[in-house]
Amino acid sequence: GAVVSQHPSRVICKSGTSVKIECRSLDFQATTMFWYRQFPKQSLMLMATSNEGSKATYEQGVEKDKFLINHASLTLSTLTVTSAHPEDSSFYICSARGGGGSPGELFFGEGSRLTVL
Amino acid sequence: GIQVEQSPPDLILQEGANSTLRCNFSDSVNNLQWFHQNPWGQLINLFYIPSGTKQNGRLSATTVATERYSLLYISSSQTTDSGVYFCAVAVQFYFGTGTSLTVIP
Repeated sequence: GAVVSQHPSRVICKSGTSVKIECRSLDFQATTMFWYRQFPKQSLMLMATSNEGSKATYEQGVEKDKFLINHASLTLSTLTVTSAHPEDSSFYICSARGGGGSPGELFFGEGSRLTVL
Repeated sequence: GIQVEQSPPDLILQEGANSTLRCNFSDSVNNLQWFHQNPWGQLINLFYIPSGTKQNGRLSATTVATERYSLLYISSSQTTDSGVYFCAVAVQFYFGTGTSLTVIP
């Protein structure tokens, strides 16, 4: 199957700093990527849809100025958590479609665990 | 958005037992996928199954799109099957509530 890679896998930062998470499709081009957030023992919540070359589409209740998404190329989307606070601590996962298999099949990155002190 | 409910929320099985996990969704969908999330958080693709039936080893899945549900069957369960199972639907893949499976030896 297709490979989606995230970096970093773990990050610890101080409150008030910004953190950037990268999501790359390694062996295919992805015009659309998705970003999710997962709190402990909960399901994944869709945050936004990242579109190459255009603005991201955010789900209701997700602050677009807080979670900046940039999809500058067909293989890279980035999520920047700006002025992070402890309540932003979570597991962030990206996904992409278009990596072979069925047309609608989605492939996920390994996830990035953010801890804000 | 679409509501996705999974049942049961928690399941404990003896090794070797069979189980059925259910995913109900509130609207018509063209995409449905089952995942297994391992203890490290990685989502493992099990099936992409917007309709019909598929089998892969001890696992199989059936989606009845007209009735808005999907089933995941696990036969002869093993301890390595433990983890959380999610279904996700629609273009953006809205995730269900998950089933936490524990297989005991």
